[in-house]
Amino acid sequence: GNSVTQMEGPVTLSEEAFLTINCTYTATGYPSLFWYVQYPGEGLQLLLKATKADDKGSNKGFEATYRKETTSFHLEKGSVQVSDSAVYFCALSGYTGGFKTIFGAGTRLFVKA
Amino acid sequence: DADVTQTPRNRITKTGKRIMLECSQTKGHDRMYWYRQDPGLGLQLIYYSFDVKDINKGEISDGYSVSRQAQAKFSLSLESAIPNQTALYFCATSDSGQANNEQFFGPGTRLTVL
Repeated sequence: GNSVTQMEGPVTLSEEAFLTINCTYTATGYPSLFWYVQYPGEGLQLLLKATKADDKGSNKGFEATYRKETTSFHLEKGSVQVSDSAVYFCALSGYTGGFKTIFGAGTRLFVKA
Repeated sequence: DADVTQTPRNRITKTGKRIMLECSQTKGHDRMYWYRQDPGLGLQLIYYSFDVKDINKGEISDGYSVSRQAQAKFSLSLESAIPNQTALYFCATSDSGQANNEQFFGPGTRLTVL
């Protein structure tokens, strides 16, 4: 079945450091890929998405590229801020999964001033 | 106003009690979901509904039941709560008219079973 694997946290960075959170997936067909973010005390919200191979999703300085050849969707940001401290979830959804969304375990990011 | 609301936001109860968590949405979406979040385990799907008359079990439905009272309302019940059901519970919605199935989440309900 479909699955998502993302790097374990927590990840601790200093402000203005470069961020990469790795995400790989297993799926049949052509799923859509997502990154959701959960700020403390809140529900998840969509950060960015990509719906087909080689698409790049971007938002708030974050980027991720849908790589079908490596089945990956790594999240990157060039310069993190304290306000980026949150839990980040990689996810996929597709027709072959009955349109249910499969989430990774989440990666907690701490950014120090 | 929030598009997806959940009540209550926090609940402490005792083993064996019946608990209902409620979810309402004003987004006009037809699909609704209940998830459970435990530390380090991501989100696990409990139940989902693609329409008012459609109810489906997710990965971890044992010990839970749901009711889709209207397109905008989807409630989750724990018939006899047990301590390992202590978790954060999220309701979410999506629109079948959107091919990518982006989900919109409520703020969550923190449930503690003593």
